[in-house]
Amino acid sequence: QKEVEQNSGPLSVPEGAIASLNCTYSDRGSQSFFWYRQYSGKSPELIMSIYSNGDKEDGRFTAQLNKASQYVSLLIRDSQPSDSATYLCAVCPSSASKIIFGSGTRLSIRP
Amino acid sequence: NAGVMQNPRHLVRRRGQEARLRCSPMKGHSHVYWYRQLPEEGLKFMVYLQKENIIDESGMPKERFSAEFPKEGPSILRIQQVVRGDSAAYFCASSPPEKTDTQYFGPGTRLTVL
Repeated sequence: QKEVEQNSGPLSVPEGAIASLNCTYSDRGSQSFFWYRQYSGKSPELIMSIYSNGDKEDGRFTAQLNKASQYVSLLIRDSQPSDSATYLCAVCPSSASKIIFGSGTRLSIRP
Repeated sequence: NAGVMQNPRHLVRRRGQEARLRCSPMKGHSHVYWYRQLPEEGLKFMVYLQKENIIDESGMPKERFSAEFPKEGPSILRIQQVVRGDSAAYFCASSPPEKTDTQYFGPGTRLTVL
């Protein structure tokens, strides 16, 4: 089992709709969870961090965390073509400062 | 406040040569992390360093790869006797000492081995 799992996609969503990205992780003791956005040929950009169960909203982005289910998600409301990118879920395991990344989900927003 | 800086942005080496990748963290950040991203794959952790110390090198290949973060100057990732399989994007990230799980990435160095 991979430490952080994501569906590779591509996930195609019409412009203006809600894009939902999901991630599961294996280390039950993990405390820190992140979503990074990576455009093709560019470096990852931190867009959301979440540390406690529930929802965290920042503009059009909402991160959701359920530690009991070992599940993290990212919702993007009012999707824009500029949201088309690969979204990387990242988890900081309980015993380390390194971050473990999922392989990413490619999101495509169609006009 | 300048972000994480990496150079060179692109590096071409022939098999058997050495590659040196440099990373300067954000101002005020004393922790540096190196990641490798193979084409169409996710980021793989390589090494975590503080000034003059290697904290975690569990992701570093056992041979040909080394990293340092000297008291003065940038962090260096060194790959000796490069092979074609080393071709990848190498990203450096840095974090402040009080929040080591919040990492900001540099633009990366794209290494091509001919």
